[in-house]
Amino acid sequence: AQKITQTQPGMFVQEKEAVTLDCTYDTSDQSYGLFWYKQPSSGEMIFLIYQGSYDEQNATEGRYSLNFQKARKSANLVISASQLGDSAMYFCAMREMNRDDKIIFGKGTRLHILP
Amino acid sequence: KAGVTQTPRYLIKTRGQQVTLSCSPISGHRSVSWYQQTPGQGLQFLFEYFSETQRNKGNFPGRFSGRQFSNSRSEMNVSTLELGDSALYLCASRRGGRDTQYFGPGTRLTVL
Repeated sequence: AQKITQTQPGMFVQEKEAVTLDCTYDTSDQSYGLFWYKQPSSGEMIFLIYQGSYDEQNATEGRYSLNFQKARKSANLVISASQLGDSAMYFCAMREMNRDDKIIFGKGTRLHILP
Repeated sequence: KAGVTQTPRYLIKTRGQQVTLSCSPISGHRSVSWYQQTPGQGLQFLFEYFSETQRNKGNFPGRFSGRQFSNSRSEMNVSTLELGDSALYLCASRRGGRDTQYFGPGTRLTVL
């Protein structure tokens, strides 16, 4: 069963608009971590933001914020004021503490920022 | 602090050959994970090494193997290459199991 689901294979957004990338996850563990990574066309995976399952506040890192809704098992990434350089593939990932901290990834969302 | 480095960056091999990829983690990081990324299958976990011991393993055939040295550097070996092994191989390191994982630039392997 797929544990990380990213339902948007691709998105087109106008520059300067806010973007929400969806991610839902499936786990029976109480302790887990959620990550978002960005992969530009160069191929390197860039860490963006992390949310722990026990964190009460939504994580924020500059223009990135994670909309964490634990009961719905969703961890959407919000990018404010999008820029052309945000065009990339975005991956949601989960670490399950009771699975030897193994990290699994969703299939990704390709984001295109339009000028 | 230097990031994760991978060598070589690009590699072309023929079917049946074997290949060894190398990954040097961020200084102080004891965990190294390997992933295979293809357009069809996405990002798939191969294995993770922590303090020279394999900690986790994905669902890949035995042709894929790895090891980690005492300085935390890791190598991944693929024997008897198949066309389907053409992929971007990404290495990632983290200090410990509960820490954030940082990726290297990847090795792009093409099997002809």
